[in-house]
Amino acid sequence: NAGVTQTPKFRILKIGQSMTLQCTQDMNHNYMYWYRQDPGMGLKLIYYSVGAGITDKGEVPNGYNVSRSTTEDFPLRLELAAPSQTSVYFCASSYSGQGVPLEQYFGPGTRLTVT
Amino acid sequence: AQSVAQPEDQVNVAEGNPLTVKCTYSVSGNPYLFWYVQYPNRGLQFLLKYITGDNLVKGSYGFEAEFNKSQTSFHLKKPSALVSDSALYFCAARTDKLIFGTGTRLQVFP
Repeated sequence: NAGVTQTPKFRILKIGQSMTLQCTQDMNHNYMYWYRQDPGMGLKLIYYSVGAGITDKGEVPNGYNVSRSTTEDFPLRLELAAPSQTSVYFCASSYSGQGVPLEQYFGPGTRLTVT
Repeated sequence: AQSVAQPEDQVNVAEGNPLTVKCTYSVSGNPYLFWYVQYPNRGLQFLLKYITGDNLVKGSYGFEAEFNKSQTSFHLKKPSALVSDSALYFCAARTDKLIFGTGTRLQVFP
């Protein structure tokens, strides 16, 4: 049971380039999330999904896109990278109890630098 | 607006002493409450949660948290701190969405 895995661990992008951050979970969780964490700050929710085929915007969705074609995978796409997207990105998943998502399990993160 | 507050950016404690990391919340209804820990260059790890029932919740690594509805608080505690407890701690509350606090850095000195 690997939990939540993310690739790559590190990436440097030039302004205007695009990339996809991969996230996979093997716990059969229906909820999945993408966060960004800027230095010295808390977490900001980018997008989330309540199940395959269903995604919704979080607090800071601009500049990002997601898809959820399977329960296991929840990739995050950055189009036209900007320096403001330099951050550490965390994927998380959770199961639900009585219809409410419970504790989240986090991946190790992807450290992205846009120059 | 709904929010979770962690009033201390950093808490310093000597090894072997008890520790408390404070958290207060301002959300509607009866929230689910969580504590997470983040070690350097790692993702967040779940420590414990309160949903209902006993106000004292026990979690991983000897941590516990006390829910106080009248004070809308959910402080994290440990009777005897270890140097290895040094990390960043996040409180979170869920109503219709999960709201994180800004984090408290715990430094345990030998």
